[in-house]
Amino acid sequence: DSGVTQTPKHLITATGQRVTLRCSPRSGDLSVYWYQQSLDQGLQFLIQYYNGEERAKGNILERFSAQQFPDLHSELNLSSLELGDSALYFCASSSDSDTQYFGPGTRLTVL
Amino acid sequence: GQNIDQPTEMTATEGAIVQINCTYQTSGFNGLFWYQQHAGEAPTFLSYNVLDGLEEKGRFSSFLSRSKGYSYLLLKELQMKDSASYLCAVRESHSNYQLIWGAGTKLIIKP
Repeated sequence: DSGVTQTPKHLITATGQRVTLRCSPRSGDLSVYWYQQSLDQGLQFLIQYYNGEERAKGNILERFSAQQFPDLHSELNLSSLELGDSALYFCASSSDSDTQYFGPGTRLTVL
Repeated sequence: GQNIDQPTEMTATEGAIVQINCTYQTSGFNGLFWYQQHAGEAPTFLSYNVLDGLEEKGRFSSFLSRSKGYSYLLLKELQMKDSASYLCAVRESHSNYQLIWGAGTKLIIKP
């Protein structure tokens, strides 16, 4: 158990819909990272937050957005969902530039 | 530019030794990580190298040569549970310490 929690574990929805994925980092970690991993693909970095502020942006679509709240939990919002958005979404946390520890992921299926 | 190369797939026999290579081209190198990822699960941290040399951790060892842009992960006494993908990631100091991820090496262990 990495100490990072993510909810929900599974999510099934339809094209055009909007979903919110939630992540709670390890106690004391200020950084949260979001990744997308499509079937049999590598990890694609989406975005990083540090203590509530956006720190880095990767290959995140405009339909996707994220935020980190004062209690340091983070949410990833995916809207106007397409079939190709079906993937595993991982959250990771770290203390500053330290090792990233991953949550169990949310498996999103768009039908 | 940034680039990380790993073999796509490797096969090895239970009880044997396997070496998974990772070569990288990046600026502002600030460390190299190895993660293990079983299918459908989260990546888990294995090792971190920032100085040249070998780091040993039980059955797993990781080696780094910064001048050659090269690392390897050595797995000894292979067990069936070692069947997984192994991800190499390089941390860059000039981009907010972001991790640049390789595509991963799928390791198949045969009895």
